[in-house]
Amino acid sequence: DTGVSQDPRHKITKRGQNVTFRCDPISEHNRLYWYRQTLGQGPEFLTYFQNEAQLEKSRLLSDRFSAERPKGSFSTLEIQRTEQGDSAMYLCASSTTDRGNEKLFFGSGTQLSVL
Amino acid sequence: AQSVTQLDSQVPVFEEAPVELRCNYSSSVSVYLFWYVQYPNQGLQLLLKYLSGSTLVKGINGFEAEFNKSQTSFHLRKPSVHISDTAEYFCAVRPIGAQKLVFGQGTRLTINP
Repeated sequence: DTGVSQDPRHKITKRGQNVTFRCDPISEHNRLYWYRQTLGQGPEFLTYFQNEAQLEKSRLLSDRFSAERPKGSFSTLEIQRTEQGDSAMYLCASSTTDRGNEKLFFGSGTQLSVL
Repeated sequence: AQSVTQLDSQVPVFEEAPVELRCNYSSSVSVYLFWYVQYPNQGLQLLLKYLSGSTLVKGINGFEAEFNKSQTSFHLRKPSVHISDTAEYFCAVRPIGAQKLVFGQGTRLTINP
């Protein structure tokens, strides 16, 4: 179990640029989640996948945000035309669908700073 | 919709003292309840969870929490804290049948020697 990996750890970008983050879940986990955390707040749900299917999206996920999980393995989260309000920690988590094993494993996150 | 309120944003305690971190929630449907811990520069880790059964739940590192349905609370306790317990603690709920976790705003626990 190598844990959930996120890349990059930090990203600084200028307003209006596009950014893409990657998440590699624990290999046997078929569910993958994206959350966003701003300073002093708890994580907020953005979206989740079961295998390659994106099954739920938060209304926080504007049309500038898109997430994919090709082949049900790693996932990418892209933000187009970044705004200063997008500055946050973006967290990825994974889990299995085993009933009773209701546990998310979180990555260390990607810290985005939009200048 | 669900909401989670952690009543204290910061809790300072002395080492070996007991601690209680308070969590109240609101939901129109039944939920599962969780406490996660975030150590500096690390990802969130599950401390404990309540799915069903006994309302007193024991977790890792000596923590426990009690689910009180009538008061819609899920307070976290530890009888004797250590310096290594310094971290941010998050209470969360998940509606049964859904996948989305709703987190509180977190409580920063600081242990003083």
